[in-house]
Amino acid sequence: EIVLTQSPGTLSLSPGERATLSCRASQSVSSSYLAWYQQKPGQAPRLLIYGASSRATGIPDRFSGSGSGTDFTLTISRLEPEDFAVYYCQQYGNSPLYTFGQGTKLEIK
Amino acid sequence: EVQLLESGGGLVQPGGSLRLSCAASGFTFSSYAMSWVRQAPGKGLEWVSAISGSGGSTNYADSVKGRFTISRDNSRSTLYLQMNSLRAEDTAVYYCAKRRGDGYKSFDYWGQGTLVTVSS
Repeated sequence: EIVLTQSPGTLSLSPGERATLSCRASQSVSSSYLAWYQQKPGQAPRLLIYGASSRATGIPDRFSGSGSGTDFTLTISRLEPEDFAVYYCQQYGNSPLYTFGQGTKLEIK
Repeated sequence: EVQLLESGGGLVQPGGSLRLSCAASGFTFSSYAMSWVRQAPGKGLEWVSAISGSGGSTNYADSVKGRFTISRDNSRSTLYLQMNSLRAEDTAVYYCAKRRGDGYKSFDYWGQGTLVTVSS
């Protein structure tokens, strides 16, 4: 089973700052199978990034994804007030078929 | 516009059963694999089960294998999750999620979720 570990657990930043979120896999993950989601309180998750670096439809270009192998990063270039939320990485594998990281909470400093 | 609408959640006693439904619209339902993903109160996301577009292939998380059954009715554009032998640890919001149609294996649309509470 591939375990995804996200860091930090909580990230406190101010609007306008740059956010860097990490997702580390316990084994190598195909870049095609790594995704990032944003979840706000009381809402369903929203797909941000698929294939490690491709933005989903309607996602602003301040969101970018990078990485390969076991280390992946979600970067938000300039934080907007609506970006403060919980972020999850997700991978597709064998057993279980999909796994999620434990999440990073991005909070306003 | 793609829409996924879950229903069927509620309060059930330990050992009981519940059937969740997810009505899909805005896309050719039979062409896409679907999944159920759950989120326990205050916790992260946990994938539960997946089914291929035709319904011929299914997969389950170890935590629900043998107790939950995923199915679909493509004529009704509806996804189901039959949950038996429910336990307290199955308490969660259950989301249905549509998988992207290409090879990227991520979920591009999610329902609003339905809450399942297992308690005596």
